[in-house]
Amino acid sequence: AQTVTQSQPEMSVQEAETVTLSCTYDTSENNYYLFWYKQPPSRQMILVIRQEAYKQQNATENRFSVNFQKAAKSFSLKISDSQLGDTAMYFCAFMKRSHLQGAQKLVFGQGTRLTINP
Amino acid sequence: GAVVSQHPSRVICKSGTSVKIECRSLDFQATTMFWYRQFPKKSLMLMATSNEGSKATYEQGVEKDKFLINHASLTLSTLTVTSAHPEDSSFYICSARDTVQPQHFGDGTRLSIL
Repeated sequence: AQTVTQSQPEMSVQEAETVTLSCTYDTSENNYYLFWYKQPPSRQMILVIRQEAYKQQNATENRFSVNFQKAAKSFSLKISDSQLGDTAMYFCAFMKRSHLQGAQKLVFGQGTRLTINP
Repeated sequence: GAVVSQHPSRVICKSGTSVKIECRSLDFQATTMFWYRQFPKKSLMLMATSNEGSKATYEQGVEKDKFLINHASLTLSTLTVTSAHPEDSSFYICSARDTVQPQHFGDGTRLSIL
């Protein structure tokens, strides 16, 4: 079974600073996806960024980028020039790459509560 | 983009009643939908995988008779919490997969059992 671990329950930074959220995972699979989701106080789940395990290049989406270390099973999220609207819970998630839709379930980490201070 | 609608967003009911939550994919067909439960300040816990036209697959420890799932069409899955009790109070979220994104999430249902 796959597990996802986020070791930082809470983090807090000043606006405009850069912050890195850590995530490690455990799997015996070779083909999989990794994701970071954001859950603001509204509790809506918002996809921030995704990474395919077979791709060596780290994914980036504007101010958000990841550091994917497949051998170390590490998948950290870096938020540059942080903004007040980035305040939210952030969840790291794992999904096997499978043609079977029922197997495509997300396994979430415990979450990191990120607060951006003005 | 793909949208998943979840209804109701909030429900309060008396202990012993049954509550139905709907999850609809508005602009795409979803043969598989997922139901999650989230406790305050905790992560999402997968309850079951809902398969169109067949029985749902429940995760270990989830009572299938308590949480009834029906996926009668390619755009609708329902979760019914039967004979609800205060310990069933929680935030329930559904999701559906299309060909592009892994899962699109509904906005969730906050269930409060008095």
